[in-house]
Amino acid sequence: NAGVMQNPRHLVRRRGQEARLRCSPMKGHSHVYWYRQLPEEGLKFMVYLQKENIIDESGMPKERFSAEFPKEGPSILRIQQVVRGDSAAYFCASSPSSRTYEQYFGPGTRLTVT
Amino acid sequence: TQLLEQSPQFLSIQEGENLTVYCNSSSVFSSLQWYRQEPGEGPVLLVTVVTGGEVKKLKRLTFQFGDARKDSSLHITAAQPGDTGLYLCAGLFGNEKLTFGTGTRLTIIP
Repeated sequence: NAGVMQNPRHLVRRRGQEARLRCSPMKGHSHVYWYRQLPEEGLKFMVYLQKENIIDESGMPKERFSAEFPKEGPSILRIQQVVRGDSAAYFCASSPSSRTYEQYFGPGTRLTVT
Repeated sequence: TQLLEQSPQFLSIQEGENLTVYCNSSSVFSSLQWYRQEPGEGPVLLVTVVTGGEVKKLKRLTFQFGDARKDSSLHITAAQPGDTGLYLCAGLFGNEKLTFGTGTRLTIIP
């Protein structure tokens, strides 16, 4: 059973460009969570999605950030007009149900904004 | 906003020694998880504790959940270099999202 997959693993963008981060949950998991981790810090919750629904986006910045989890295909975290402060590791986790403590993490995407 | 404090922030010990790291909050957890994260990788779930006073063992790792469900500890016996990593606790408060502590960065010196 494949684990959570994220791609790309590393992404470099210039200021003002768009970044798209993809996450494929574990087989059988329909709940996806996105987190951001800055160097030497813990993980900060961003958004919780189920298929075709955003359940909790209280951790998402109000502007430039959006997330989706379509009926088919991976979950996408989109950052428009990136700035240097967006440089971080972005992790996706999935769970089989709404019991959110059973979360399994992907390897992360490391975004660098130059 | 619930806060999880982990201590110590950094710990460096010799191979073969024992150690304990802590996770504390002023709020009551409905459940608590411990993760280990290695450089360049995502966190890996080690254990989930749910019941106050619960103790779980995973080989040389012993996890304890406080009676009041506000704190937890992770004890490692006879530490090995493979134990090196960032140890994160994460708490679920009620039905809310998982909140992570800032982590303990553990280095085991061969």
